[in-house]
Order: sequence, then C-alpha cells, then structure tokens
Amino acid sequence: GENVEQHPSTLSVQEGDSAVIKCTYSDSASNYFPWYKQELGKGPQLIIDIRSNVGEKKDQRIAVTLNKTAKHFSLHITETQPEDSAVYFCAAIIMTTDSWGKLQFGAGTQVVVTP
Amino acid sequence: DTAVSQTPKYLVTQMGNDKSIKCEQNLGHDTMYWYKQDSKKFLKIMFSYNNKELIINETVPNRFSPKSPDKAHLNLHINSLELGDSAVYFCASSQGLGAYEQYFGPGTRLTVT
Repeated sequence: GENVEQHPSTLSVQEGDSAVIKCTYSDSASNYFPWYKQELGKGPQLIIDIRSNVGEKKDQRIAVTLNKTAKHFSLHITETQPEDSAVYFCAAIIMTTDSWGKLQFGAGTQVVVTP
Repeated sequence: DTAVSQTPKYLVTQMGNDKSIKCEQNLGHDTMYWYKQDSKKFLKIMFSYNNKELIINETVPNRFSPKSPDKAHLNLHINSLELGDSAVYFCASSQGLGAYEQYFGPGTRLTVT
C-alpha cells in the first residue's frame, strides 16, 4: 500500500554533531519529497525538498539525498544547534486513483540537540 | 505578513456540538488542504480543494464538511463532535495539485470533552 516509513522516531545529538533521518517510500511513481520541521505549538515548515530528477540537494547546513532505485531519501543536518530541536517529517507525493498527487507523511522524528 | 492563517487557534467544546474552523491564504495559490494531526503527531490529509472544487476526500466522516467560498478561503465545519475528533487541524495551500510546495497554517487545537 501507500507508505512512507521514517527512522528513527527520536534522535538526541550533541550540539555541533550531525543528525541523519532516513525515510523509505513504496510508490514508484512518487517524484517529489519534501521535508518539514515542526516546532512546538506551530505548523509544519517546509525546510527543503527534492525532486526525482536529482540525487542530492543542499541548503546551508541541511542536505537531502534521494536513491530512487532503493526508494530511500534522507535528511542530513550538520553542525547542529539547539534551535534545530524540533519534530522533522519526511513526505512523498503519492498518486491517487484519479491521478492527483497527495502528500503522504512519515511518522516524524523528534530531534533534541543538547548544548 | 501571515501566508496561511487559521482561526481559532484553540477550540474547546463538548461532544455533540457543531463547530467551524476558518482558513485564509494570501499566497495567491489555487489549492488548499485540511490535515489532521493526532496525539502521536501523525499528519494525514483530509481534503484538498483546487479552484474551489473538492478534489481529494480521504474517507472522512460525513460530519466533516469543507467549504471553499473562494480560492483564498477554505473552512471546515464539523457536526456532532466526538471525543475522537480531538486533534490539531492544519490548513495548507500550494500553487497547484501534485508536486508543489505546501505551506501550512499555525493549526487549530480542537479539544472535545
């Protein structure tokens, strides 16, 4: 069925270290993979996305990689800072039976950066 | 300048009541969505509208009725509220349906007692 799996569910890192969150998807037609950051009491905020025609994208301290063959994509945060603490969600576009796209979200990763 | 706004931010009500949540976007987008986030933080799409037309309805109970008076607004009315409806509801918008960036509102925390 349509599924996006996300690991780990929680991630504790020391300030300055790197954090990696991994996701897998099942729909081979998926061609868009956004990542969202949700701080406590706020809505999800789009932080980076990648489309199926590229394998990697970087924006300052965050990067996303995509392996279409293996149906894996990952978020990498380098030089983590306390303000990176939040819940991070991966998502993938899933095609509906009417050929419309909808976002299927992973279950989220609680990232805690300790000073 | 708020891109996607929702009102109210908090809603506490009793079982059986009817309530509405309003959403507005000033991004000029054609597509709007309602998502439900449960107590385990899982985000799931409920509805999507494109140019005021209902496109996606994810087998949500009939008690939930979205309405889009124009492209910038998408409201959610819920009849006969149940305990299980307690959640955070997010409105979102995007330029179109499919592989477009979606921008989320701040959420409405609904508590049914």
